[in-house]
Amino acid sequence: IAGITQAPTSQILAAGRRMTLRCTQDMRHNAMYWYRQDLGLGLRLIHYSNTAGTTGKGEVPDGYSVSRANTDDFPLTLASAVPSQTSVYFCASSDSSRGTGELFFGEGSRLTVL
Amino acid sequence: GQNIDQPTEMTATEGAIVQINCTYQTSGFNGLFWYQQHAGEAPTFLSYNVLDGLEEKGRFSSFLSRSKGYSYLLLKELQMKDSASYLCAVTDSNYQLIWGAGTKLIIKP
Repeated sequence: IAGITQAPTSQILAAGRRMTLRCTQDMRHNAMYWYRQDLGLGLRLIHYSNTAGTTGKGEVPDGYSVSRANTDDFPLTLASAVPSQTSVYFCASSDSSRGTGELFFGEGSRLTVL
Repeated sequence: GQNIDQPTEMTATEGAIVQINCTYQTSGFNGLFWYQQHAGEAPTFLSYNVLDGLEEKGRFSSFLSRSKGYSYLLLKELQMKDSASYLCAVTDSNYQLIWGAGTKLIIKP
């Protein structure tokens, strides 16, 4: 089934540990995004990539890094996790990098940092 | 600053009609989206408006007034499965997507 796959779906992590959330899409979309979603807040953009080989910072990039080595994969890394990074993380892709195309979301990764 | 406002929560009755409003103040406008998100799941696309007027898609319709910075999502013949959060998002002049906090819709029998 075409779409976006995220892993892991859920993780509990000790503060200070390094963690990588994986995201893979098979729709050949150029644009990919990482969002975090917290109760009472809208989706907040962490990092984005308009095409393979390029990345950019979103609204809340501190403490996170991304890479885009190819079209399909867009991993998100927390170098040293802190409790404020407890959240649900969504990866998304779009065939438009101009914010005018439908976003396709992965199922989310629920991360708890203790 | 940029802002999207939508009611936090609404309640409606099965079979009825409900209108979810969204007002926005953004630096420019390049389109408005509505997404549906069931609890514990990912958002899914409902509609996209870039011109003024009403777009109808089955039981769901979305309206846009760019001059008023206003949109609404209209859900007809409500079903229990429509219980979800509805997210409004606007693409600004820099093609950045600005998200509202979402409206939780509760459907009662």
